[in-house]
Amino acid sequence: AQKVTQAQTEISVVEKEDVTLDCVYETRDTTYYLFWYKQPPSGELVFLIRRNSFDEQNEISGRYSWNFQKSTSSFNFTITASQVVDSAVYFCALTTSYDKVIFGPGTSLSVIP
Amino acid sequence: DADVTQTPRNRITKTGKRIMLECSQTKGHDRMYWYRQDPGLGLRLIYYSFDVKDINKGEISDGYSVSRQAQAKFSLSLESAIPNQTALYFCATSDFVGTQYFGPGTRLTVL
Repeated sequence: AQKVTQAQTEISVVEKEDVTLDCVYETRDTTYYLFWYKQPPSGELVFLIRRNSFDEQNEISGRYSWNFQKSTSSFNFTITASQVVDSAVYFCALTTSYDKVIFGPGTSLSVIP
Repeated sequence: DADVTQTPRNRITKTGKRIMLECSQTKGHDRMYWYRQDPGLGLRLIYYSFDVKDINKGEISDGYSVSRQAQAKFSLSLESAIPNQTALYFCATSDFVGTQYFGPGTRLTVL
């Protein structure tokens, strides 16, 4: 069975602080894909990143970075120097090829000015 | 223009009414999905379709049905709406590795 756990339900940080959102996944498949999505208060769901199981390189995009570690089955997301516009619910997700996507429960991030 | 569109964006209806939510996509993907989002419960999969002839139930399909009219169109029906179907509904399409591209959502209220 596949599962995605986001243990942090809600996080509050003060603007300019760094924050890491945790994601732990479970799968028996050797080929799989991991994703992060953002849902701002306006409600739309925005794709942020995809990683496949054969690529453990960390990814950096501006203030966003992702740390994929197969040894701990984790795919964590760090926002550096957080801004109010980063306030949103963030979802981690998992899929194996030719299967539906499993979403985690989401982490609600509040960045306080 | 948006890649995934949903109509209507908002709907208020009464218990027992039949409701159809429509979704269209221009990404050319074969895979389409319907999700429901309730406060604090994340996204739950209602139905999904990997091609025009393929329809699969998700984790919460009871009370819902779908129709895949074409590669680009996937509609969700509530045959007899009930208040606990009040939620935010998202349609999505994906590439073959599962990257989900979501529509803007339909906010449904059943009175």
